[in-house]
Amino acid sequence: EVQLVESGGGLVQPGRSLRLSCAASGLTFGDYAMHWVRQAPGKGLEWVSTISWNSASVGYADSVKGRFTISRDNSKDSLYLQMNSLRAEDMALYYCAKDIRAVGGTEGGYLDHWGQGTLVTVS
Amino acid sequence: SYELTQAPSLSVSPGQTASITCSGDKLGDKYVSWYQQKSGQSPLLVIYQDNKRPSGIPERFSGSNSGNTATLTISGTQPMDEADYYCQAWDSSTAVFGGGTKLTVL
Repeated sequence: EVQLVESGGGLVQPGRSLRLSCAASGLTFGDYAMHWVRQAPGKGLEWVSTISWNSASVGYADSVKGRFTISRDNSKDSLYLQMNSLRAEDMALYYCAKDIRAVGGTEGGYLDHWGQGTLVTVS
Repeated sequence: SYELTQAPSLSVSPGQTASITCSGDKLGDKYVSWYQQKSGQSPLLVIYQDNKRPSGIPERFSGSNSGNTATLTISGTQPMDEADYYCQAWDSSTAVFGGGTKLTVL
């Protein structure tokens, strides 16, 4: 059974940094692209970032570009999101999600497993 | 930037058919996925590549996509189907989600 477990969320002041982690199990982690998707309280889903299986290809939403950095360590079956210069509008539940494909953002790809999320509060 | 538009809410009676639509420019040229999110839970993939169901998703869930509109259809809607539903497509290598439709079954 695929499991994705996020951690690292918490309360942080505007302008500060936070690093989220996502531990994966039950899959060959290094075979798949991964994503971060966030959901502000009471709002819809917003895609944040993606990283390919080998970290060669990354992508970001315009809202976080230049402030957030996605990375992964396939030897540790882990995904990360370094969030700098946090703003009030970054406050959300952050989910990690697995892509069915090796490179995210490709036509026909989809997010077939999601974690439970980790809450980031900026205040 | 590319946008996907969904109606904010839809109400159906148990046993009726629920049709949740998602519109976007030339959406029929893209693959659409649908995610169900029940209150307090993570999103769950219910339809991928327009009309395919992951294993474990009931047959009453189906999807279509043509022109500018994709549709998620739930036949014989059950109370357990009450949830928010999000469509999603890719544009320029970024994932775009619709705003979500809250389905109420009453």
